[in-house]
Amino acid sequence: QVQLVQSGAEVKMPGASVRVSCKTSGYTFTMYGIVWVRQAPGQGLEWMGWISTNNGDTNYAQKFQGRLTMTTDTSTNTAYMELRRLRSDDTAVYYCARRPNYWNWFDPWGQGTLVTVSS
Amino acid sequence: QSALTQPASVSGSPGQSITISCTGTSSDVGGNNFVSWYQQHPDKAPKLMIYDVSSRASGVSSRFSGSKSGDTASLTISGLQAEDEADYYCTSYTGNSAWVFGVGTKLTVL
Repeated sequence: QVQLVQSGAEVKMPGASVRVSCKTSGYTFTMYGIVWVRQAPGQGLEWMGWISTNNGDTNYAQKFQGRLTMTTDTSTNTAYMELRRLRSDDTAVYYCARRPNYWNWFDPWGQGTLVTVSS
Repeated sequence: QSALTQPASVSGSPGQSITISCTGTSSDVGGNNFVSWYQQHPDKAPKLMIYDVSSRASGVSSRFSGSKSGDTASLTISGLQAEDEADYYCTSYTGNSAWVFGVGTKLTVL
């Protein structure tokens, strides 16, 4: 079955970087893009960006421009999200989700990765 | 891009129907038919329920339906059941491989 399995929880100091992985299985990796969405404690979902697994094209939400990089490794069917210059308000659960090429829905989602930014 | 507007909370008794609205602008909800809805139980990942305004995702009960009029999309749940109690989020495509989420609605089954 289709699965997206994310890396484990992280604790980071302010100013540091974090890299979260999303290992996929059960489908043809390059037929679906990957989106990243985060959820701060007690808050709603926030779209962060999208990456094409075909050619690496990306589009990031404006608020993350300059701090966010999404990449993929087609040899391991894994997507990565790196967020730099972390602040306390980056504390959140980060989700990856599969997005079919040319369609506009996300399914399924990874289990989420809690990133805590604290000194 | 501002978050789409949803009511903070809605409630209903078992067996009743409820509707959750999702209001955007002509740049998102009103400008295309790419609205989807997600259900999220506490401490769980979101689950796709409805896509392209009114299409049910695989395995989703027919009690869930979606619609749209102008800049407002709606999710209706009929025959409410206890397991429907969750948070619900809408999202809309905004063009150029970008999306915006609604603020979320907490559904309470009384």
